[in-house]
Amino acid sequence: DTEVTQTPKHLVMGMTNKKSLKCEQHMGHRAMYWYKQKAKKPPELMFVYSYEKLSINESVPSRFSPECPNSSLLNLHLHALQPEDSALYLCASSQDRKTPLHFGNGTRLTVT
Amino acid sequence: AQSVTQLGSHVSVSEGALVLLRCNYSSSVPPYLFWYVQYPNQGLQLLLKYTSAATLVKGINGFEAEFKKSETSFHLTKPSAHMSDAAEYFCAVSVGGTDKLIFGTGTRLQVFP
Repeated sequence: DTEVTQTPKHLVMGMTNKKSLKCEQHMGHRAMYWYKQKAKKPPELMFVYSYEKLSINESVPSRFSPECPNSSLLNLHLHALQPEDSALYLCASSQDRKTPLHFGNGTRLTVT
Repeated sequence: AQSVTQLGSHVSVSEGALVLLRCNYSSSVPPYLFWYVQYPNQGLQLLLKYTSAATLVKGINGFEAEFKKSETSFHLTKPSAHMSDAAEYFCAVSVGGTDKLIFGTGTRLQVFP
């Protein structure tokens, strides 16, 4: 069982929909991450929150909007996505730069 | 800037054979290096990590890796492959002074009976 929980596991949405991906960790980690992974590619960093504040935004389009309501939760709000945004979205957490990231099992997103 | 290069996008071995997955890094400061494994439709699971302690690092499932500064390498090995080792393997480097973790392009390991 993973210590980082992501919901939903699968999501299909139209280009005009608004949806949210959710991530939760109870390990007391200070940093939480969103990665995007296309098929047969490595994960690509999107956002990093450190102590509930956005610390890294890798020039992600504004149709992706992250939110960190508290130290255990991380959301990714989706609006007006394109079919090329279809991918596996991975959430991760870590305590510090030396410690490894703990990943959730991801949300498989399909944009129609 | 830190980066990692994985040589060989696909590696095939017979069950019981040695597994060698290659990773070379580029870093201007002592790096933190990691190997992750990803099974189909799952997230990434840590195999092992190097954070400037022992240069030979042992991980889970019988894997180990050796940090060689002179060769800027961090290759992953396992003496005897098992069918369950078939997966995608990613080498990653932590970018100094930040929370960024940068992944290599990955190596798909196939294990034949």
